[in-house]
Amino acid sequence: DAGITQSPRHKVTETGTPVTLRCHQTENHRYMYWYRQDPGHGLRLIHYSYGVKDTDKGEVSDGYSVSRSKTEDFLLTLESATSSQTSVYFCAVSGTSLNEQYFGPGTRLTVT
Amino acid sequence: QQQVKQSPQSLIVQKGGIPIINCAYENTAFDYFPWYQQFPGKGPALLIAIRPDVSEKKEGRFTISFNKSAKQFSLHIMDSQPGDSATYFCAASGQGGSEKLVFGKGTKLTVNP
Repeated sequence: DAGITQSPRHKVTETGTPVTLRCHQTENHRYMYWYRQDPGHGLRLIHYSYGVKDTDKGEVSDGYSVSRSKTEDFLLTLESATSSQTSVYFCAVSGTSLNEQYFGPGTRLTVT
Repeated sequence: QQQVKQSPQSLIVQKGGIPIINCAYENTAFDYFPWYQQFPGKGPALLIAIRPDVSEKKEGRFTISFNKSAKQFSLHIMDSQPGDSATYFCAASGQGGSEKLVFGKGTKLTVNP
């Protein structure tokens, strides 16, 4: 599992509330990623990080922000959750030039 | 804009059959093509990957075939088992420090006993 944990694993929240998801890794990988997975859409990249305090947008970044203050932690924040952000969120890491990405167990988020 | 097209969406085979999942890409700068396997409630797991300098790669019962001129690659599962029932995703990425993967939409495979 590449030493990746995600918290919380499940969360139900109301529309308009802020939500922060955490990804924690123990193997000092340089790159970290946040994806969302929805039926019929596969995995879509939200944001990624290529080092501490270095982040960039992915394909579906609107409504999301990220922060990486330490190598091991990558936070995904929904400033004001909407029902369209109901999804399963996966964190991934990679640390070499071989593009191999390893995924965490996921967080199921429901916005009511 | 979908850069990796995967087919079929779902596939049902009998135990011992050889399911084949196909992917096509558009970006000729892609040079890394992995396949991921995902079981319900779990994160995707890297299964096998290929680079365009070879046309085929085997790992156990799993084989990737790659056709650079057609910009297509496929996953074959030999002697499929019920335990192979999962969703499979192809992906592609190019060179560069960000190593961003672009995923296909997935194929749900069911292997009947």
